[in-house]
This record gives sequence, structure tokens and C-alpha cells, in this order.
Amino acid sequence: DQQVKQNSPSLSVQEGRISILNCDYTNSMFDYFLWYKKYPAEGPTFLISISSIKDKNEDGRFTVFLNKSAKHLSLHIVPSQPGDSAVYFCAARPNFGNEKLTFGTGTRLTIIP
Amino acid sequence: ETGVTQTPRHLVMGMTNKKSLKCEQHLGHNAMYWYKQSAKKPLELMFVYNFKEQTENNSVPSRFSPECPNSSHLFLHLHTLQPEDSALYLCASSQDLPYEQYFGPGTRLTVT
Repeated sequence: DQQVKQNSPSLSVQEGRISILNCDYTNSMFDYFLWYKKYPAEGPTFLISISSIKDKNEDGRFTVFLNKSAKHLSLHIVPSQPGDSAVYFCAARPNFGNEKLTFGTGTRLTIIP
Repeated sequence: ETGVTQTPRHLVMGMTNKKSLKCEQHLGHNAMYWYKQSAKKPLELMFVYNFKEQTENNSVPSRFSPECPNSSHLFLHLHTLQPEDSALYLCASSQDLPYEQYFGPGTRLTVT
């Protein structure tokens, strides 16, 4: 049973436009959410996170939105750049001091020059 | 430079071999993790160490044996693996609880 789902395995976006990556979760105990970015032959790199007490967190070109009622979060990248081409993983953890992060399967983002 | 290094980067081993994966973190973190990433599957947490003590073993077969001699080093000892164990093995570290885990580049393991 996959508790964190990224239903789009791939996404292509024109350079300069907005990229929107989506993530859905089923476990209502999740209260902290993270996005990781992974280039080929490298490990995932932390990108941005959001706590369940917020509905938006922004860092430069990256913004994460959280809709708790829909159990949905999204990552917006604007404007998209060629260097943003990578696999993006959504991850979540519950609110009772458990170290375990649950990851989605990832979305491969390709930015078209 | 992520501050987490893993060796070797690639490993091919037979089912009767014994090998070890090594991870070292230079970030002063207290917690270290082993993950397995198979094709088209989510990252699977295997083991968690916090202050050198194993705090989680996520139902991993005994043919995988972790070792954490100190907070900076983590090993994964492998023996009598199966072809389905072929995957990317990622090490990560974090300061206390894993609000942000920092990953190494991974070891691409192929079991023949």
C-alpha cells in the first residue's frame, strides 16, 4: 500500500514556464513533507519542505503548497530552467517522533530549451 | 559535494560472494540510514541508526547486515544475495530527527 503517490511518472515543460509537480498521500498522521531532487548517478538532494501548520512555503523559484483536506501537495518551479531537469521525489513523515520518511516513486521533469 | 560519500559506486557480485558497502558523512550528524531504490519503486528504508544505535530494521532479510561503528561511518555487509537484490543502495544522514536527510551518491549493486 503506497502511502505517498506521485501519479505522473514524467513531465515536460518549456523553459521559462511553470513546472507543477504533484503528490498525494493517504496517511493522515503525516505532518511534515519534503521534496527531493535527484540527478542521474547522484543521491537525492533536499529541495524544500513544509510543515502541516502551513499551507505554503517559498524558497526562490520553488514553492510548495499543502492542501491538508485533500491530502495533496504540489511543488511549483517558476521560471523553469534546463538545470531543473531531474527526478523529483515527494516524501512525508508522521508527527510522533518516528524517523521514517515515506517516499513517492518520483516524477521525471524535463525542461525543454 | 553533499558531505556524504559512498564506496564503491558500482559493485557486481555473485550470489556466493561477501562484500561490504561503506558510507561516511562529514556533516556532524547523529543519524544515518540505508535505503534501497529499485527500478520504478519508492525509496525503501532499510535501517536507521541514531547515535550509533540501531533504531529501525525495516523487515530486511538477514543477508543484509548493517554496522555503525561511530556516528560518521555506516557499513552494509552483504552475503549470499539474490539477483532481486540488485538495486541502488543509498546512504543518508540527518541531525537528530530527519527533517532533512542528506544523501550520498549511492552504490549501484548488481547481483549475478
